[in-house]
Amino acid sequence: QSALTQPPSASGSPGQSVTISCTGGSSDVGGYNYVSWYRQHPGKAPKLVIYEVTKRPSGVPDRFSGSKSGNTASLTVSGLQADDEADYYCCSYAGSNNLVFGGGTRLTVL
Amino acid sequence: QVQLVESGGGVVQPGTSLSLSCAASGFNFNTYDMHWVRQAPGKGLEWILFISYTGNKKQSADSVRGRFTISRDNSKNTVYLQMNSLRPEDTAVYYCCAGSDYDLTFWGQGSLVTVPS
Repeated sequence: QSALTQPPSASGSPGQSVTISCTGGSSDVGGYNYVSWYRQHPGKAPKLVIYEVTKRPSGVPDRFSGSKSGNTASLTVSGLQADDEADYYCCSYAGSNNLVFGGGTRLTVL
Repeated sequence: QVQLVESGGGVVQPGTSLSLSCAASGFNFNTYDMHWVRQAPGKGLEWILFISYTGNKKQSADSVRGRFTISRDNSKNTVYLQMNSLRPEDTAVYYCCAGSDYDLTFWGQGSLVTVPS
């Protein structure tokens, strides 16, 4: 159950797009189409923003999109806004009812 | 609206036990799988426990297996976390989450457990 690999930081200016990667292996990210992404503002609980690689829960704007290629999943945030500044975590199903998170990426809006 | 409210956190000595509860409301609890996720101070998220919506399937992370257990009472819309043999490295905010096998749709506000060294 090794953690997925995310870059520790990412940044972009308001209105720009930023993409955060999440790399695992064939037993998690590459083996299932069950990658989810969570946004966490400081001192708050995480919130689901993408599930099953590409799907957005009700209420999440279409500025958030997800994709996957091989063992790497990605989250793209378009039209960056100040409120997008937060920590982002990927999570993958790893079989037998196990989940594994990435280490998290701090997104800074410049 | 959907609410998950954890309770039972606090400061406990190493080697002792603690139980957390998570009361759910605003959604059909007995159709959702439940998880516990923790976050050590200043660190990332760590998934630790799963229980299916019927309660007949459970899974745990290596870091807590044999010490922590998860259970649920669908008649009370509540999920529980029993923590035994607590260690300083178990110090964290513990979140209960409702979702499926694969994702965590709803999150509680978290309950802080501190195990001093």
